[in-house]
Amino acid sequence: QSVLTQPPSVSGAPGQRVTISCTGSNSNIGAGYNVHWYQQLPGTAPKLLIYGDNSRPSGVSDRFSGSKSGTSASLAITGLQAEDEADYYCQSYDSSLSGSVFGGGTKLTVL
Amino acid sequence: QVQLQESGPGLVKPSQTLSLTCTVSGGSISSANHFWSWIRQHPGKGLEWIGYISNSGSPYYNPSLKSRLSISVDTTQNQFSLKLNSVTGADTAVYYCVRAYGAHSWFDPWGQGALVTVSS
Repeated sequence: QSVLTQPPSVSGAPGQRVTISCTGSNSNIGAGYNVHWYQQLPGTAPKLLIYGDNSRPSGVSDRFSGSKSGTSASLAITGLQAEDEADYYCQSYDSSLSGSVFGGGTKLTVL
Repeated sequence: QVQLQESGPGLVKPSQTLSLTCTVSGGSISSANHFWSWIRQHPGKGLEWIGYISNSGSPYYNPSLKSRLSISVDTTQNQFSLKLNSVTGADTAVYYCVRAYGAHSWFDPWGQGALVTVSS
């Protein structure tokens, strides 16, 4: 059972917009700790996608965006492309555990 | 551009110690505000933070692994290491070494990962 809760799967057709939620608690997201997002393509290491709730590293498409409110955060992907098919993970810090925590991951399928 | 590379045995016997080393290239492991981290992924599962060590050598461990875990840094070799003792099949996973921008921060970049299987 992950500390941060994500839907196991989401799907969308090419060109559509999808969102992936990440729900935490008052000891992590709700305490104001930043949320970060990673993309893991099949057979590869995770790659940083969004950091600090809504900032994109250099080289990451502006089709990816992050937001946070209360004890939850979301990753939005617009203009869905086949290459976006991957697993996505949210991550934050938890003061009760005194360490980093991840969501269970969401598998994005492009129909 | 900083790159990280894991190395170590791919097969460990139950009850023995899992040891991995991460070599950092393209930058100094002594850089301020960086935390050098280990994260694992069980086969077909999600990511689990194992722990990290600050550039000053202070370790921080996942409470669920703390009693079996040691993370250390060797600044002369620009490497940091993971030791997990008394392993079982539940420790079979891909182990990633990763840089974090502080204790509450994000992880980037990631090593390619090293599969460690615990089996007799």
